[in-house]
This record gives sequence, C-alpha cells and structure tokens, in this order.
Amino acid sequence: GQQVMQIPQYQHVQEGEDFTTYCNSSTTLSNIQWYKQRPGGHPVFLIQLVKSGEVKKQKRLTFQFGEAKKNSSLHITATQTTDVGTYFCANGFGNEKLTFGTGTRLTIIP
Amino acid sequence: ETGVTQSPTHLIKTRGQQVTLRCSSQSGHNTVSWYQQALGQGPQFIFQYYREEENGRGNFPPRFSGLQFPNYSSELNVNALELDDSALYLCASSRGTENYGYTFGSGTRLTVV
Repeated sequence: GQQVMQIPQYQHVQEGEDFTTYCNSSTTLSNIQWYKQRPGGHPVFLIQLVKSGEVKKQKRLTFQFGEAKKNSSLHITATQTTDVGTYFCANGFGNEKLTFGTGTRLTIIP
Repeated sequence: ETGVTQSPTHLIKTRGQQVTLRCSSQSGHNTVSWYQQALGQGPQFIFQYYREEENGRGNFPPRFSGLQFPNYSSELNVNALELDDSALYLCASSRGTENYGYTFGSGTRLTVV
C-alpha cells in the first residue's frame, strides 16, 4: 500500500531557529494535507496543497508541494515554544481515507 | 459552530470485553472517519462513513465495526478486546467530497488490561 515517509523523526531546535520537515512518497499524490498534534492533543488541520509546485504561507509557516507531487515540506521560521508538537503530512480528500506520514516531533529548547 | 466531540475521554477495559466509542461530527459535516493512534505513531485509518454507509475500510479485523446515524454522529464498536487495542481513538469529520481538511475530536484513550 501507499506509504508516506517523513524526515526527520525528531528535531530539537533552539528557540528562534528555523525548522523543516519533509514528506516523501513513492507514488504521485493527489494532495497533501498538514496537521499539527500538540503533546497529549489531537491532530489539527493546518493546510492543504493540491497543485504541482504549490507554495502556501501561514505567518511563519511555509508549505511546499513538489513539482512531481511526490514530496512536500513544511518550514517554520524563527520557532517559538508554541510550535512544539508533532507535524504530520497526510494524503487524502474529504471522502477518502487519510494516509498519514510517520510524523516529525519538534521540541524547542528555550 | 461546534467541533467534533467524542466520549468517553478515557476508558479502561479488560481483555475480551467489548467497547463502544461515540462521536458527534462538526455541524455541516456528513462524513465521519475513525482512526487508531498508538503511542508515538501516526493515526491509522479504521473506516469511514458517508450518509450512514461504510465508505472505505482500513486494515482492521471485523471485530472493529461502526455505525453512522441520520444526524451524522457515529459509533465505533470493538469486540473481543486485545491488549494491542490500547490506543487513542480519533474521530474525524469532513464535508464529504469538498476539499477541506478533516476536523478531529479530542479522542478516546482506551486502555486494555
């Protein structure tokens, strides 16, 4: 079945440093969704990318979808303690199952 | 606009027992999906309901079953509980074919002893 891998598995950064997580698939993806899950919490939808090469920004977060629609990245500029959590990419639309990536756990060193 | 609500929040069951978890979808959402998330793992798709019909199923045995009601709320039933069923069970609702993200509930933490 389809697998979506994320790297790195863990990332520890000093507060104020940048952070990037990468999502890779062996097959072409119809879309990419990104979710954030705080420790002890539940996944919260951040954004969806659909078009090849698409780039979207949300304040300090930049999301990219690769030209071949097989990879995606989430970049956070100048991390803050509120960015702590696990970031998941996922593939699937509203009437399909979501296949989640393996996740990247971000911890911030104050 | 209310979000997705799940009950109970925590549950402890004995191996071999049966459990029912409940989910109320977000207003305006007609599709409900259930996910199992083991500690340190990503959510795994169990099944999805759309207009009261099962609309896809993941790699889970038949002892995992579900229902969706006319008001789009849903239940997840697990029979003959096993220790490995211990996990966070997440309900997510969406607007069906529209391209919006899923709204997840806070989950039910099930512990099987």
